[in-house]
Amino acid sequence: GNSVTQMEGPVTLSEEAFLTINCTYTATGYPSLFWYVQYPGEGLQLLLKATKADDKGSNKGFEATYRKETTSFHLEKGSVQVSDSAVYFCALTEGNQAGTALIFGKGTTLS
Amino acid sequence: GAVVSQHPSRVICKSGTSVKIECRSLDFQATTMFWYRQFPKKSLMLMATSNEGSKATYEQGVEKDKFLINHASLTLSTLTVTSAHPEDSSFYICSARDVGDRRSYGYTFGSGTRLTVV
Repeated sequence: GNSVTQMEGPVTLSEEAFLTINCTYTATGYPSLFWYVQYPGEGLQLLLKATKADDKGSNKGFEATYRKETTSFHLEKGSVQVSDSAVYFCALTEGNQAGTALIFGKGTTLS
Repeated sequence: GAVVSQHPSRVICKSGTSVKIECRSLDFQATTMFWYRQFPKKSLMLMATSNEGSKATYEQGVEKDKFLINHASLTLSTLTVTSAHPEDSSFYICSARDVGDRRSYGYTFGSGTRLTVV
């Protein structure tokens, strides 16, 4: 079945440091890939997405590139801020049918 | 944009009682909604897929008689935790999909319900 593996946290960085959170996936077909963020006490918010190989998703200084050859979608940011402290989830879905759920990784806490 | 309202945000109940959690899509119709459970180490587990007008599809290992899901309209799905026990204490999150929303691929999440069973 489909699954997502992301690096275990917590990740602790100084302000303005470079951030990488690794994410790899297993899928039977051609999934769409997502990063979601959960700030303390809040719900999940979409951070960025990529729907096909070599696509780069970007938002708020975060980037991730869909790498089919390595089945990866690593999240990066060049200079983190205190306000980026949150839990980050990598996720995938296959197809655009209404009944297709998102499958999440275990989440990585950034502080 | 699409908004999903989940209620209540927190609930404390006694062992053996039942608790109902509501999930509403406020500005779009959702033929499908999803229910997740978030464990203390943060992983999100898909519990079931809720289909309007038909029975929910449960993931393997999820007790359908314990976690009753009803999706009676295009904007409302409910999750009822029956005969709750302390091990059911968790954070439950619903998600609805607006397939017409291409910006986010259509997934919108509720803010979650913290259930504590005492």
